[in-house]
Amino acid sequence: GQQVMQIPQYQHVQEGEDFTTYCNSSTTLSNIQWYKQRPGGHPVFLIQLVKSGEVKKQKRLTFQFGEAKKNSSLHITATQTTDVGTYFCALDTGGFKTIFGAGTRLFVKA
Amino acid sequence: DGGITQSPKYLFRKEGQNVTLSCEQNLNHDAMYWYRQDPGQGLRLIYYSQIVNDFQKGDIAEGYSVSREKKESFPLTVTSAQKNPTAFYLCASSSTYQETQYFGPGTRLLVL
Repeated sequence: GQQVMQIPQYQHVQEGEDFTTYCNSSTTLSNIQWYKQRPGGHPVFLIQLVKSGEVKKQKRLTFQFGEAKKNSSLHITATQTTDVGTYFCALDTGGFKTIFGAGTRLFVKA
Repeated sequence: DGGITQSPKYLFRKEGQNVTLSCEQNLNHDAMYWYRQDPGQGLRLIYYSQIVNDFQKGDIAEGYSVSREKKESFPLTVTSAQKNPTAFYLCASSSTYQETQYFGPGTRLLVL
């Protein structure tokens, strides 16, 4: 069945440092979505990637979809305390349901 | 004010009791979903509904039941058969199946 691996599970950074989380699928994807969940909150949609090799930017966040459409990354430049939370990837394989990764929990020390 | 609402915010369940979590959306979305999140963990799909009067089991449906009698509403019942119900329950909706999901604020269920 469909496997999704999101790494790392946790990341502690000093404010101003960069951060990257990776999402890997065992099968080719139709698209991938990224969500952010603040502590105690609910997941909020960030972006959707559809095309092979696609790169999208939102201010300090850069999202990339792999050429083979089996992996993706989210990179945050110069982290701020407001970036704290858990970042989830969500996979659409074209099947019957969207599969969420386990998430990467980001801690930012001021 | 459009969005997706869940109630209550906190819910306490006694042993052997069934409880129902409410989820309502006014986004005119066809698809709705229920997820369970345990502390420090990801989202696990309980049930989903692509359209009114239709729903499907997710990965962890045992001990749960749902209904979808109205487009706006997708209540989740946690039955006494669910032996470890303590968790954060999230409801979501999307315009069509597998489009971007919009989440409600969640309900925290605790067992007394």
